[in-house]
Amino acid sequence: GNSVTQMEGPVTLSEEAFLTINCTYTATGYPSLFWYVQYPGEGLQLLLKATKADDKGSNKGFEATYRKETTSFHLEKGSVQVSDSAVYFCALNLSASKIIFGSGTRLSIRP
Amino acid sequence: DGGITQSPKYLFRKEGQNVTLSCEQNLNHDAMYWYRQDPGQGLRLIYYSQIVNDFQKGDIAEGYSVSREKKESFPLTVTSAQKNPTAFYLCASSVRTGGLNTEAFFGQGTRLTVV
Repeated sequence: GNSVTQMEGPVTLSEEAFLTINCTYTATGYPSLFWYVQYPGEGLQLLLKATKADDKGSNKGFEATYRKETTSFHLEKGSVQVSDSAVYFCALNLSASKIIFGSGTRLSIRP
Repeated sequence: DGGITQSPKYLFRKEGQNVTLSCEQNLNHDAMYWYRQDPGQGLRLIYYSQIVNDFQKGDIAEGYSVSREKKESFPLTVTSAQKNPTAFYLCASSVRTGGLNTEAFFGQGTRLTVV
């Protein structure tokens, strides 16, 4: 079946460190891929997306590239800030049915 | 401003009671979803609806019910049959383009606590 696997957290980094959160997917077709961010006590916000292979989504210094050959959509940021502390979810949408989410990765940034 | 509104933000339920969580969107989206999130956990799909008057069970539908009488509204009822209802509930919606749903937009959530 279709699924999303992302690295388990929590991930703790110092401010200005480089961030990678791994995400791989299993899908029978060609899904759209998303990264969402959730701040404490709030709903999820779309961070970035990619709809076809080799597309790169980017927003607020975050990037992720849709890699069909490795079925991956890893999230990266060159220099994290304390304000980036949140839970990050990878997700895919394959058909007009439902969006499938990974289990989330909690990120904490130390000043 | 367009968006999704969930109410109430906090809800307390006594054992054996049914409660209804409200979700309204003014984005003109076709699809709507309900997810449950437990502390430190990911999202689990309860129900989803692609069009008015139609909805499907998600992965954890037992003890929940929904209706979709209007495009903009998708209320969730947590019944007394749901044995462990304390959780954070998230409503979402998305537009359908060419038969494929685009990204989901989320409400701010309702935190339900059984007392």
